[in-house]
Order: sequence, then structure tokens, then C-alpha cells
Amino acid sequence: KQEVTQIPAALSVPEGENLVLNCSFTDSAIYNLQWFRQDPGKGLTSLLLIQSSQREQTSGRLNASLDKSSGRSTLYIAASQPGDSATYLCAVDSNYQLIWGAGTKLIIKP
Amino acid sequence: DAGITQSPRHKVTETGTPVTLRCHQTENHRYMYWYRQDPGHGLRLIHYSYGVKDTDKGEVSDGYSVSRSKTEDFLLTLESATSSQTSVYFCATLGEGNTGELFFGEGSRLTVL
Repeated sequence: KQEVTQIPAALSVPEGENLVLNCSFTDSAIYNLQWFRQDPGKGLTSLLLIQSSQREQTSGRLNASLDKSSGRSTLYIAASQPGDSATYLCAVDSNYQLIWGAGTKLIIKP
Repeated sequence: DAGITQSPRHKVTETGTPVTLRCHQTENHRYMYWYRQDPGHGLRLIHYSYGVKDTDKGEVSDGYSVSRSKTEDFLLTLESATSSQTSVYFCATLGEGNTGELFFGEGSRLTVL
């Protein structure tokens, strides 16, 4: 059974730092992996989607990598800003079902 | 933005009462999903639909039913609400083009007293 873990559950860093969020999964047979952002009281917004055949995807200051063999994905945020404060969730498409991590709550201190 | 609206956004009800949450989309997406989100858990799939009148169960479907009589509307019903169903409920649709991208509504916060 696929399991997805995000560690740490919360992270606080000063503005301007580069940072990495982690997502690990137990079964490497995945279709794709997605990273989402959730602001308090809001729905989820898709940030990046990496297909199983891809190694990384980039969007602006965000870069997501995928290493299926080790069961890991990272979300790299460059030059963090207070507006990046949110909860970041990863979800693995495994056997046509999305399995979700519990998220990392990120706080960027001005 | 898939134009997904959920209603009601907030509801407080009592144990044993029926509750229906509505999800409406404007993009004509085929696949629609209902999730619940609880502290310390990832999102958990309740039910999903792959077309009008075509639905299937997710991992936490007990106590919930769904209906999809039109492409744009997906209803989630709690026949007899329990306190364990206090949660935030999210509707999502799957974008077209086989990319696998999901679009979410803003959630419905349900409190069962």
C-alpha cells in the first residue's frame, strides 16, 4: 500500500533563504507526483506536476525533482518571500488513486 | 482555474441530521472528486465520479453517498451525520488533456455537534 510522508510537519525560515521541502513515498510504481499549495481557509492550488518519466519541473522560483528509485521528491523554493507562507502538500498518483502527504506548514519570517 | 464552487462553505448541524454538500464546476471536466481533510492527515478520498451517473467509492466512503445527475454538479450526502464527520470537505476536478492536474474548490467546513 502506497504511503506518502512529508517531513518536517512545519518549517520556519527567514525571508530570502532558499529552502527544500521533502516528500517520500513507499512504492516507486507511480504515474505522477504533484505539489500543491494551500493557504489557510482556502482550497489547494496545483504548483507543479512531474510525470513518472520526468526528473524535474520548474515554475518561476519553484523547482520540483523526482527520484522514483529512492522514493523521494523535493520542492525547492528560491529566495523565499513572506507570501510563500502556506502549507505545501505532495500527492502521488499510484494505481490511478492520489495518495496524499499530510503537508509541511511553511512560515517565512520577514 | 476550473471554476469550482462549493456550497455551503460553512455548516453546523446536529448528529443524526442529513447534510448535502454541493460542488459545481463550469469547465465540463469529466472526473470529479470529494475529499475530506482532517488535522494530521493528508486528504482522503470519499467518492469520485467519472461521468454522469458513474460514481465509485474512495478509501473513506462509509457514511457518505454521492450523486451526479449533470456533468457540472456532484453532490455529497451524509444521510445521518456523526461527530466523526466533522471535517473540511473539498471537491476537485481533473483537468482534461491527460496531464493529471487537479483543480480544487475552496472547501466546505462541516461541524457536527
